[in-house]
Amino acid sequence: GAGVSQSPSNKVTEKGKDVELRCDPISGHTALYWYRQSLGQGLEFLIYFQGNSAPDKSGLPSDRFSAERTGGSVSTLTIQRTQQEDSAVYLCASSLEISSYNEQFFGPGTRLTVL
Amino acid sequence: QQQVKQSPQSLIVQKGGISIINCAYENTAFDYFPWYQQFPGKGPALLIAIRPDVSEKKEGRFTISFNKSAKQFSLHIMDSQPGDSATYFCAASPDSNYQLIWGAGTKLIIKP
Repeated sequence: GAGVSQSPSNKVTEKGKDVELRCDPISGHTALYWYRQSLGQGLEFLIYFQGNSAPDKSGLPSDRFSAERTGGSVSTLTIQRTQQEDSAVYLCASSLEISSYNEQFFGPGTRLTVL
Repeated sequence: QQQVKQSPQSLIVQKGGISIINCAYENTAFDYFPWYQQFPGKGPALLIAIRPDVSEKKEGRFTISFNKSAKQFSLHIMDSQPGDSATYFCAASPDSNYQLIWGAGTKLIIKP
């Protein structure tokens, strides 16, 4: 079956512009996670969704970051007024339900470059 | 207390050798310890995981060793192959919380 897909795979933008990153989770997975991975670094947790709700937004780095999920499926991560420090790979993962015991299936990521 | 410390940062092993990556934690509430493998340009993928009720789990050439008293766990890759070259992340979670606490990753290179 299809895995987690993300689009675009690469995004180059100018400082100050807004960007939208999209994640299509595995069908039937109720939990969805967003992570950020800077070059050669580990995974920084941003936000998770259970269904369409995001109970914990504390991982978002600033109020320029927002995310939503519609229909319990597709999720969009929006970064407003991008800064150079936002350059990173943004990874999305989904799991069958919200529990750390469930395997997280990752997409290939969106590489964001802010010039 | 929420951190997971992973070492080494990078590792070079000859083909056929044993690769060992270590992780340490402080929070005794952690009770799930997965390892993820990430190839360049791909997202991480679950490799193997362990719960603290066992001291070792083996899947093929990959083994997790778990030392509850020392609050350490490690990944051993036996007969390492060039195809094992990847970045490996350990993680830990407190009692089925939604959130995995990730180690910083180890870049493993297997030399042919």
